[in-house]
Amino acid sequence: DAKTTQPNSMESNEEEPVHLPCNHSTISGTDYIHWYRQLPSQGPEYVIHGLTSNVNNRMASLAIAEDRKSSTLILHRATLRDAAVYYCILRKNYGGSQGNLIFGKGTKLSVKP
Amino acid sequence: GAGVSQSPSNKVTEKGKDVELRCDPISGHTALYWYRQRLGQGLEFLIYFQGNSAPDKSGLPSDRFSAERTGESVSTLTIQRTQQEDSAVYLCASRPIMLQGRGYGYTFGSGTRLTVV
Repeated sequence: DAKTTQPNSMESNEEEPVHLPCNHSTISGTDYIHWYRQLPSQGPEYVIHGLTSNVNNRMASLAIAEDRKSSTLILHRATLRDAAVYYCILRKNYGGSQGNLIFGKGTKLSVKP
Repeated sequence: GAGVSQSPSNKVTEKGKDVELRCDPISGHTALYWYRQRLGQGLEFLIYFQGNSAPDKSGLPSDRFSAERTGESVSTLTIQRTQQEDSAVYLCASRPIMLQGRGYGYTFGSGTRLTVV
């Protein structure tokens, strides 16, 4: 799988937007961009994924660069509960193909009250 | 249930003993994965199952580790002759079959925290 690069850590204030960047310059046309987060003492939690177009769901928004070499996870109003490690992962999607997610070190997000 | 269920949630065992960890995936999810996460570290892939296909065991760290899955339901991860370095949280994830051109999120369980003393 293609590699992703994320900052080790970020800080945010509560109720402010947070933009978590991810670089994936070697992304291929069949790679989906997945974001997961892991709260302390819990298993990872799916956040959002996309291919080319920006995506929105109840948890977050995903902004994908036009060349797909980078993406940004956007939390519109950070809460204390959003403090977690956020992982940006590329996964190939072929018909019928399965495979594992390869987790990097992610970005540790701290939220200050 | 609605989520991936793992049991036990905590397990303390003596070095040299065998342990068995269980994962109940979401009903209908054909793919099942096991990961290991040591304290303060990232997730390490161990093994995955996809329907009736041969499992991908490429992540198993040694022959003391094995896993089975019954059809598209329960999976068990067995660690024989446990060592202290096996202490970690063992996470299970499942997902539905991937259709061409679409991607699906994985659903993780809360994990089994294994402590080998």
